[in-house]
Amino acid sequence: AQSVTQLGSHVSVSEGALVLLRCNYSSSVPPYLFWYVQYPNQGLQLLLKYTSAATLVKGINGFEAEFKKSETSFHLTKPSAHMSDAAEYFCAVSDLHQGGKLIFGQGTELSVKP
Amino acid sequence: DVKVTQSSRYLVKRTGEKVFLECVQDMDHENMFWYRQDPGLGLRLIYFSYDVKMKEKGDIPEGYSVSREKKERFSLILESASTNQTSMYLCASSSSGAPYNEQFFGPGTRLTVL
Repeated sequence: AQSVTQLGSHVSVSEGALVLLRCNYSSSVPPYLFWYVQYPNQGLQLLLKYTSAATLVKGINGFEAEFKKSETSFHLTKPSAHMSDAAEYFCAVSDLHQGGKLIFGQGTELSVKP
Repeated sequence: DVKVTQSSRYLVKRTGEKVFLECVQDMDHENMFWYRQDPGLGLRLIYFSYDVKMKEKGDIPEGYSVSREKKERFSLILESASTNQTSMYLCASSSSGAPYNEQFFGPGTRLTVL
């Protein structure tokens, strides 16, 4: 069965510092992976997705993620945090047995200190 | 601009009441989903639908039912609301055909059952 694990339910960084949010997946076949962001009092919005075309995926708002098969990881990074990045971030994997269905991680709340 | 709308942002109901949560999408998407979001648990799939009048149970369907009479509308029904159904409910939609198609989310309904 496929699953996603996000390490750290809360991450706090200073403005201008590197953002690193960790995601590990479990899948018996090459997965499709996603990062979504949820700003306060809003629904989820797609940041980026991995569909096997390139291992380094660039998304919106300066975020990127690298697919590493050997580590079964898809960590999300941003070189320099901005106050507006404060939100909850979800990693997800596509369920290959039921097309279109996503399996989400527990979420990581990112705080950005001035 | 693509849109998924949910009928209420906040809802307060009493134990035992029948509750209807409505979701409408304007993107002609085949797939629609209902999730429940709780702190530390991420998003959990309640029900999903691949087509009109079709429904599939997700991971936590107990206590819920759904209805999809028109392609654009997907309703979540709590037959007899209980306090443990107090939560944030998110609706999403996606087009069919590829397992990596993005899901578009509504803003969510925060339901409190007293």
